[in-house]
Amino acid sequence: GAGVSQSPRYKVAKRGQDVALRCDPISGHVSLFWYQQALGQGPEFLTYFQNEAQLDKSGLPSDRFFAERPEGSVSTLKIQRTQQEDSAVYLCASSLEGQGSLSYNSPLHFGNGTRLTVT
Amino acid sequence: DQQVKQNSPSLSVQEGRISILNCDYTNSMFDYFLWYKKYPAEGPTFLISISSIKDKNEDGRFTVFLNKSAKHLSLHIVPSQPGDSAVYFCAARGRWVGGATNKLIFGTGTLLAVQP
Repeated sequence: GAGVSQSPRYKVAKRGQDVALRCDPISGHVSLFWYQQALGQGPEFLTYFQNEAQLDKSGLPSDRFFAERPEGSVSTLKIQRTQQEDSAVYLCASSLEGQGSLSYNSPLHFGNGTRLTVT
Repeated sequence: DQQVKQNSPSLSVQEGRISILNCDYTNSMFDYFLWYKKYPAEGPTFLISISSIKDKNEDGRFTVFLNKSAKHLSLHIVPSQPGDSAVYFCAARGRWVGGATNKLIFGTGTLLAVQP
């Protein structure tokens, strides 16, 4: 497809369940980001991949959060033992260039997000 | 600590008039700034950007102004149209901020309502 695709669009999980959120970036995009957006807030950075390498995971809120991008394209964000405070929209974004590129200023292209509700 | 701040949660403007959205930042290491627009149930879409070496960038009805000494930027929309009604996020990045150099740090957003 032409844009970043995320699935599922909506996910309801009972507290304590594990969830997996999928992101298909734009084909050929080197950089992939995960963001968390709570209600009424701006997107908050979670983690960054350059191809298959996870170069920054400083935003992951706890060790219950895990992300991977094993072949440098599709990425999965996994949340173990979900808690109510994990309820948010999870946004994936990709960009053509990696960090350190001369075209440093390529914008991020976002998917429509996955809305996670933990009951 | 909120490094990018949008102090106005909402703004209402008449169609045809100017909309001015404001953003302040605290980290002097930011060197690139972007505005994103977000409709309900969609992801943010890129609108316009500005490098820290410039003080103005224009694209059609949209102009972004940067005042580095004041650590302030603004987005001007002229003339405003009902289709511009959305949440607008200011974002910033910097090579020396720490972590991934191309990650964006977002403000909390301003909801713009353009009245017909």
